[in-house]
Amino acid sequence: SQTIHQWPATLVQPVGSPLSLECTVEGTSNPNLYWYRQAAGRGLQLLFYSVGIGQISSEVPQNLSASRPQDRQFILSSKKLLLSDSGFYLCAWRLAATDTQYFGPGTRLTVL
Amino acid sequence: DQQVKQNSPSLSVQEGRISILNCDYTNSMFDYFLWYKKYPAEGPTFLISISSIKDKNEDGRFTVFLNKSAKHLSLHIVPSQPGDSAVYFCAAIIGGSNYKLTFGKGTLLTVNP
Repeated sequence: SQTIHQWPATLVQPVGSPLSLECTVEGTSNPNLYWYRQAAGRGLQLLFYSVGIGQISSEVPQNLSASRPQDRQFILSSKKLLLSDSGFYLCAWRLAATDTQYFGPGTRLTVL
Repeated sequence: DQQVKQNSPSLSVQEGRISILNCDYTNSMFDYFLWYKKYPAEGPTFLISISSIKDKNEDGRFTVFLNKSAKHLSLHIVPSQPGDSAVYFCAAIIGGSNYKLTFGKGTLLTVNP
C-alpha cells in the first residue's frame, strides 16, 4: 500500500531564516505531487504541483519554491522566511489516471 | 472567486443523530467531488467521493448526495459518533489533462455524547 511521509512534523524558525520541508511517497511510481498550505482560520491553498521529476508548477507567487529531485520526493524551500509563511503545510499525491488526492500528516511551521 | 463554498463554519449534533454537511459549487466543469475529514494537526483523510454522473454514493455510515441542477452536494453521517468530530472539507475536481482540485474552507463538526 502507499504511504506518504512529511518531516519535520513541527518547526519553529526565525524570520529571515531558510526553510526546507520534505515529502516522500512510498509504494507507487510517478505520482503527481502537491504542496498545500493551510493558514490559521483558512482553507487549503495549493502552492505547487509536480507531474514528474524536475517539473514544477507554481500556483501562487511568493517567496517559496519547490523541487522534485527524485520521483517520489518533493521538497518545499525558502531562502528567507516571512511571518506570513506560518501555517500548516501539507503534501499530497495522486496517480495521474485517478482523481483522488491523498495527504501526508503535515508540518506545522511557526515563523517568529 | 470561491468556487466551492461551505457556508456553515461549524455544526453541532447529538451522538446517534444525523449530521448533514453541505457544500455548494459554482463551476459546472467540476466532474468529481470528494469529502475529506481532518483532525487538528493531521493531514486530511479521504472519506468518500462521487462522480458527477451519479446522485448518491454510500459507504457505511457515510452517504454523499449530489444535486447537479442546484450545484449542491451534501454529506450525511448516520449515526453520528463522537469520533466523527473533525473539520470536513468538500472538494471538487476538474478531471483530465487540466486536472484541478478546489477545496471549500471546511465545516467543523462537533458530535456531543
